[in-house]
Amino acid sequence: AQSVTQLDSQVPVFEEAPVELRCNYSSSVSVYLFWYVQYPNQGLQLLLKYLSGSTLVKGINGFEAEFNKSQTSFHLRKPSVHISDTAEYFCAVSEGYSASKIIFGSGTRLSIRP
Amino acid sequence: EAGVVQSPRYKIIEKKQPVAFWCNPISGHNTLYWYLQNLGQGPELLIRYENEEAVDDSQLPKDRFSAERLKGVDSTLKIQPAELGDSAVYLCASSPGDRGEQYFGPGTRLTVT
Repeated sequence: AQSVTQLDSQVPVFEEAPVELRCNYSSSVSVYLFWYVQYPNQGLQLLLKYLSGSTLVKGINGFEAEFNKSQTSFHLRKPSVHISDTAEYFCAVSEGYSASKIIFGSGTRLSIRP
Repeated sequence: EAGVVQSPRYKIIEKKQPVAFWCNPISGHNTLYWYLQNLGQGPELLIRYENEEAVDDSQLPKDRFSAERLKGVDSTLKIQPAELGDSAVYLCASSPGDRGEQYFGPGTRLTVT
């Protein structure tokens, strides 16, 4: 069965600094990968997804992620963060080549310091 | 285009009481999901519908939870009776298809006292 590990429960960074949120997954089959963001008191919103093709995926709000099959990782990066990026970020993996069912990680809380 | 609509946004009930949550997905989305999100955790799937058929309800505690999606559009999730441990956020999401992203509603925050 698939699983997702987000090692960092909280990541504090200063405004305009770069950030990387780590995500590792386990699966015996090929998968789709996702990053979702959740702002306070809101539902989740898709940041980006990897289905196939280029391993570097660009998403909304200046975020990007790189799929590394050998390391089973899908880390999320942004070169310069803003106060508005303060939120909870969830990595997710599909069950095989179907986005119908995805498993979420436990989330990483990104807090931006001015 | 309207997003996924959920109501109520907040609900406080006493244990052993029943409670129901309503979800209206994005128009044209055949797939509908109900998730449970505990504080500090990611969403966990409760049930997935393809049109009006529940195709994955393996994680739904059927002794107290029930769901329906009549006519394959909006859906209701019910808990009867509620327990203290049911306090959480209940999220509804919809999707247009197999490779499509899931669109989430704002959730219903349930507090059981």
